[in-house]
Amino acid sequence: GEDVEQSLFLSVREGDSSVINCTYTDSSSTYLYWYKQEPGAGLQLLTYIFSNMDMKQDQRLTVLLNKKDKHLSLRIADTQTGDSAIYFCAEYAGNNRKLIWGLGTSLGVNP
Amino acid sequence: KAGVTQTPRYLIKTRGQQVTLSCSPISGHRSVSWYQQTPGQGLQFLFEYFSETQRNKGNFPGRFSGRQFSNSRSEMNVSTLELGDSALYLCASSREQGDTQYFGPGTRLTVL
Repeated sequence: GEDVEQSLFLSVREGDSSVINCTYTDSSSTYLYWYKQEPGAGLQLLTYIFSNMDMKQDQRLTVLLNKKDKHLSLRIADTQTGDSAIYFCAEYAGNNRKLIWGLGTSLGVNP
Repeated sequence: KAGVTQTPRYLIKTRGQQVTLSCSPISGHRSVSWYQQTPGQGLQFLFEYFSETQRNKGNFPGRFSGRQFSNSRSEMNVSTLELGDSALYLCASSREQGDTQYFGPGTRLTVL
């Protein structure tokens, strides 16, 4: 069935790069998303990538997509304490026309 | 453009009561999705509405229902509340079904 998996926790030092990984199973995915959730808040769309792309860069964010391995990653350059949050990966399953969500990766940034 | 708004932001109810949550999508967005978020279960899809019709439904009991109005605003209702219904309820809107979703701040429901 459809599934999205992420590691639950990641801890980095301020100024380092963070890499958050995600794997998915639905080969019919068209879009893959990264959302950020800060404590007590809703989800903020960070970026997304279309399934026919390999990479997308947006300021400090770089998304890499390996469609063969169904692996998606989000790299945050020069990670700051304000980047501490939960990061959700989601894929749009075209067959069922719904978003499939990972459980989220909690990113902690140490000063 | 104003973002997705949800009211109320916080709600405290007791078991057995019912509750109605409201969501106003971004102007021009016609699709509204609802999610339940709990620490143990993550983000669980409740239902999606488009053009006043429910287009997709998650695995929740019939106590959870929703509707969408002609102006695309949506409400969800939970009847006969249980302790396990305590959660953050998130609403997301998109221009069309399947488009990128934008989330509201959520309604935090506590059932005592």
